[in-house]
Amino acid sequence: EIVLTQSPGTLSLSPGERATLSCRASQSVSYNYLSWYQQKPGQAPRLLIYGASSRATSIPDRFSASGSGTDFTLTISRLEPEDFAVYYCQQYGSSPPITFGQGTRLEIK
Amino acid sequence: QVQLQESGPGLVKPSETLSLTCTVSGGSINGYHWNWIRQPPGKGLEWIGYIHYSGSTNYNPSLKSRVTISLDTSKKQFSLNLSSVTAADTAVYYCARWVFYGGHSDYFDYWGQGTLVTVSS
Repeated sequence: EIVLTQSPGTLSLSPGERATLSCRASQSVSYNYLSWYQQKPGQAPRLLIYGASSRATSIPDRFSASGSGTDFTLTISRLEPEDFAVYYCQQYGSSPPITFGQGTRLEIK
Repeated sequence: QVQLQESGPGLVKPSETLSLTCTVSGGSINGYHWNWIRQPPGKGLEWIGYIHYSGSTNYNPSLKSRVTISLDTSKKQFSLNLSSVTAADTAVYYCARWVFYGGHSDYFDYWGQGTLVTVSS
């Protein structure tokens, strides 16, 4: 099983600042099968990034992502008020084929 | 626009079977994997399993002995049965479409709004 560990658990920042979220895998993630999701309270997760670095449809370009192998990063260049939420990474690989990280909570400082 | 909608009881008694259905509208069942994912209150996401449009399934080993996912293509619905539930199965249950491009990428692009299922007597 590939375990995804996200850090930090909580990130406190102000609007306009830059956010850097980390997702580390216990084993190498094949073919960049790594996605990022944003979840706001009471809502389903929303796809932000797939293939480790490709933005999903309608996702603003302040969201970017990079990484390969075991280390992946989601960056939000300038935080908008609507960006404060919980962020999850997700991978496809060995059994179980789909796992999620435990999440990073991005809160307003 | 693809939409997914979960339906089913919001309260299930311990030791009984949790049954949910997801109805897909605005798009085809074909070509995709149809998933169930759950989220206990205040916690993270747990993948339960999927059914491919061909009928093949894959389940989380931690739940495999209790899970069955089935598909009714004519109704554009897929269902989750989780047997012998306990309080630990209390969660928001989401259905979601998973896109898989072998050798390239995978992602969940459409989700239902989620339904809270509470296990309690």
